[in-house]
Amino acid sequence: ELVMTQSPATLSVSPGERVTLSCRASQSLSSNLAWYHQKPGQPPSLLIYDASTRATGIPARFSGSGSGTEFTLTISSLQSEDFAIYYCQQYNYWPWTFGQGTKVEIK
Amino acid sequence: QVQLQQSGPGLLKPSQTLSLTCAISGDSVSTHLAAWNWVRQSPSRGLEWLGRTYYRSKWSHDYEESVKSRITVIPDTSKNQFFLQLKYVTYEDTAVYYCARSVSGSFHHWGQGTRVTVSS
Repeated sequence: ELVMTQSPATLSVSPGERVTLSCRASQSLSSNLAWYHQKPGQPPSLLIYDASTRATGIPARFSGSGSGTEFTLTISSLQSEDFAIYYCQQYNYWPWTFGQGTKVEIK
Repeated sequence: QVQLQQSGPGLLKPSQTLSLTCAISGDSVSTHLAAWNWVRQSPSRGLEWLGRTYYRSKWSHDYEESVKSRITVIPDTSKNQFFLQLKYVTYEDTAVYYCARSVSGSFHHWGQGTRVTVSS
């Protein structure tokens, strides 16, 4: 089974800072990767799909890049509502799988 | 705007069958453009995709291997909803269960989640 590895596990950040999250796959995914964030008590919410396409209504401060096995989610200037857990998900191979998440917390 | 509304019991005993419903608004369960999924989340297993149903020229289903012998995802065209049935639950099936609409593999819309506890 394909393994998705996210790093770091936790990131302590101040509002306004630039944030870069990493997702690595054990096999090439082409561009079949999505990013989500999840706040306590809520379902995950789609941010990015196809590695770099912002989902409907997602602000431009969120951007995704990468292909193959290395992917990055960048938040250009972290806002208070962005403190959450971020997950990557691959849909290139069955079964579709998620990374273990990166928690972005207030510094 | 697509919305998914989940319903179903949250407490089961071991060996019982988990049955959840996901009611769809803003789209059709018979659409050719999306699939209808169940995903669960637990502290030990993280986010785990379980299965899906979708219609192209006929109804099709895909299931995650570890639950394949116990799971059924069923469309209900009369009420524009779909169901999850998971038989013979164990303590390891304790999780928050989500229904989700996927387009080409990414999950664009999610239900609100149902916390399911398996306890004797």
